[in-house]
Amino acid sequence: EVQLVESGGGLVQPGGSLRLSCAVSGFTFSSYWMHWVRQVPGKGLVWVSRINNDGITTTYADSVKGRFTISRDNTKNTLYLQMNSLRAEDRAVYYCARDGGSGSFDSWGQGTLVTVSS
Amino acid sequence: QSALTQPASVSGSPGQSITISCTGTSSDVGGYIYVSWYQQHPGKAPKLMIYDVTRRPSGISNRFSGSKSGNTASLTISGLQAGDEADYYCSSYTGSSTWVFGGGTKLTVL
Repeated sequence: EVQLVESGGGLVQPGGSLRLSCAVSGFTFSSYWMHWVRQVPGKGLVWVSRINNDGITTTYADSVKGRFTISRDNTKNTLYLQMNSLRAEDRAVYYCARDGGSGSFDSWGQGTLVTVSS
Repeated sequence: QSALTQPASVSGSPGQSITISCTGTSSDVGGYIYVSWYQQHPGKAPKLMIYDVTRRPSGISNRFSGSKSGNTASLTISGLQAGDEADYYCSSYTGSSTWVFGGGTKLTVL
């Protein structure tokens, strides 16, 4: 069974940093691109970032470019999102998602809530 | 990248069919076959329902179908059931390994 489990969310002050993790199982992690998608509670989904299967290439939404860094450790079957210079508008539930190979997100974690407040 | 445009809400009675539209531009929906649709129940993670405009993942009912014309993609749900009541989101590849979602549509089954 494919499983993705996020962790690392919590309360952080504006300007602070947080690192999210997404531990996966049930599939060959190193064969898949991976994404982070966020959702303000009660609002819509927003694509955040993507990393290719070997971790060499990454892309970001303009709203997080230069502040967030996506990475992965294929030996630990874990995806990461390092979030720096956090802003109030970064408050959201962050989901990791597997790329289905056709530009779709075919498996999702349960999400982890990030709150940015003083 | 601006969000794709979806109606805020749609509704239908059990057994009926409904269609949710997703309008973008030639740089996203109109330019690629990589349009997908997601169902999200309250408090749950999104679930892939349609990918590559028309394809259904294994296990997804054939009551769900997708199509595209120009810059607008559509999700049709036939034979509406109470369990279909949820939020639905479209997504499109936008080139250069970036993606965009629609604003979401709340489906109410009357």
